[in-house]
Amino acid sequence: EVQVVESGGGLVQPGGSLRLSCAASGFSFSTYWMSWVRQAPGKAPEWVANIKEDGSDKYYVDSVKGRFSISRDNAKNSLDLRMNSLRVDDTAVYYCARGPLWGNWYFDLWGRGTLVTVSS
Amino acid sequence: DIVMTQSPDSLAVSLGERATINCRSSQSLLFTSSDKNYLGWYQQKPGQAPKLLIYWASTRESGVPDRFSGSGSGTDFTLTISSLQAEDVAVYYCQQYHSVPPTFGLGTRVEIK
Repeated sequence: EVQVVESGGGLVQPGGSLRLSCAASGFSFSTYWMSWVRQAPGKAPEWVANIKEDGSDKYYVDSVKGRFSISRDNAKNSLDLRMNSLRVDDTAVYYCARGPLWGNWYFDLWGRGTLVTVSS
Repeated sequence: DIVMTQSPDSLAVSLGERATINCRSSQSLLFTSSDKNYLGWYQQKPGQAPKLLIYWASTRESGVPDRFSGSGSGTDFTLTISSLQAEDVAVYYCQQYHSVPPTFGLGTRVEIK
């Protein structure tokens, strides 16, 4: 089955760190760009970061630059998001998503998400 | 960033009836060089992952039933469910990919009347 499954969410205090992981299966992971998209309660989904097939290019939304880091391990079909200096407004469900696709920034496969709550 | 505005926030439609969801972008999503609108639609059922329904404003993703159709150009777009089925209860999102960062609408909740 073609799927991506996120893990690693939880409750963390402001200023803390967390590492999210995404396990991909059923497709040729190393041939796709991959992204993280988040959705805060009551808000629209927001693209957070993406990484090229070989990991050589990475892009971030301005609000997480310098705090979040995306990486991948093609041998393990896995995608990570390391989050540092977490803020209350980083609270959201974080989705792993496949894409951009052929340079077009839409996403054709999503996981069910993992909840990150930043609170004291 | 391009702002995506969806309407209505929610709608209730009888089984077998038509559901229409609107999406407006703050800038044109049409690239004249390719004559393509950089607009996608997603469906998210309760407790499930979002699912891509339509891209290029009107191209159905493989496996998506043909009762789902997308239309529009420039700044105004529509997702139509021609005959609502019980399994179509979900929140629907539009997303532009004309400019980086890609941005999404707030969503439209579709329920059965």
